[in-house]
Amino acid sequence: EPEVTQTPSHQVTQMGQEVILRCVPISNHLYFYWYRQILGQKVEFLVSFYNNEISEKSEIFDDQFSVERPDGSNFTLKIRSTKLEDSAMYFCASSERTGGARYGYTFGSGTRLTVV
Amino acid sequence: GQQLNQSPQSMFIQEGEDVSMNCTSSSIFNTWLWYKQEPGEGPVLLIALYKAGELTSNGRLTAQFGITRKDSFLNISASIPSDVGIYFCAGRDDYKLSFGAGTTVTVRA
Repeated sequence: EPEVTQTPSHQVTQMGQEVILRCVPISNHLYFYWYRQILGQKVEFLVSFYNNEISEKSEIFDDQFSVERPDGSNFTLKIRSTKLEDSAMYFCASSERTGGARYGYTFGSGTRLTVV
Repeated sequence: GQQLNQSPQSMFIQEGEDVSMNCTSSSIFNTWLWYKQEPGEGPVLLIALYKAGELTSNGRLTAQFGITRKDSFLNISASIPSDVGIYFCAGRDDYKLSFGAGTTVTVRA
């Protein structure tokens, strides 16, 4: 079963530091996403990415966040200057298609980001 | 983003019982999805629903996409200990999923 791989599984960083979360989506997928889940809360959409550009982003995804697909396999989420409230599980997901097509998302296992 | 109301928030059930949970939304979705999440893991897709009125089964799981496209339910029949976890509904429009708050299921052996 193809998987979405995320690294690291856990990252601890000091407030104000930059972090990069890494994801390797499923190889034939074209759409990539980042979601986050604050402890005990629901999963929230951050951003979707297709054809090397952002398709949609939420109000959470402010100027401190950026995404990049630096090569043919990796998809990264960068937080420029972390805040305490950025502490959460960050999930990467990918899908073959979007819209009404019959393709579900596949989620990675997540990166737990702890900002201290 | 769109608000999904998922209920119940949690449930304790006896092994062998049937479980039912549902989601409602003020918005119409093209697709309803049900995910299960276990501690320290990402959501895993259980069932996807693509057409209003559609009833779909996956083993002991059955889900329906409401006629109005604003609601969905998930049933688990004859629950077993490994059904423990958090179940999330999600509605999809073109580029994103909107998740419900989750139903935490705990099974008493």
